[in-house]
Amino acid sequence: EAQVTQNPRYLITVTGKKLTVTCSQNMNHEYMSWYRQDPGLGLRQIYYSMNVEVTDKGDVPEGYKVSRKEKRNFPLILESPSPNQTSLYFCASSPGTSGPFNEQFFGPGTRLTVL
Amino acid sequence: QQPVQSPQAVILREGEDAVINCSSSKALYSVHWYRQKHGEAPVFLMILLKGGEQKGHEKISASFNEKKQQSSLYLTASQLSYSGTYFCGTDLYGNKLVFGAGTILRVKS
Repeated sequence: EAQVTQNPRYLITVTGKKLTVTCSQNMNHEYMSWYRQDPGLGLRQIYYSMNVEVTDKGDVPEGYKVSRKEKRNFPLILESPSPNQTSLYFCASSPGTSGPFNEQFFGPGTRLTVL
Repeated sequence: QQPVQSPQAVILREGEDAVINCSSSKALYSVHWYRQKHGEAPVFLMILLKGGEQKGHEKISASFNEKKQQSSLYLTASQLSYSGTYFCGTDLYGNKLVFGAGTILRVKS
């Protein structure tokens, strides 16, 4: 089944404890992206990757890192999480090589709580 | 830079029509529409490209006015399954989307 998977789905952690949220897609998509969703603010892009060679900041990259060592995986890293990073996170992928012109497929989401 | 969606929320009865608007302060390359049901991931509905090309959903249509930097999503003869939050995403440079805050649509029987 074609899909985007994220792990974990739920995570409660404490301030300063490094964590990684994994994202994997099996559709051979070039483009991948991370968003966070907060009430009243919609989806805000954290980082995106046009392909394995190009990764760039989105609108809210502070406090996050990403890695795109292979096409299928795009992990999101929080080196020192803080309470303001408590949010619902979505990974998405798209087949386009020229940006998100095509449909983006979203993962199921990861709900992160930082205490 | 975030596009402005209106209305913020709308309640319909089955069979009624609705229009959701998306407005940007900058020139757009394309506009994307997604629907998110409660507790689920956003799902693609429609892409409107500069120049008029449109790709998307059978029962939902949309328009894209490039000069006014606006897009509208038209939901006709609404069904209960149309309930959810609708997001527009604006693409300025062909490399990333900026989403609006969303429009909550509730369809009642």
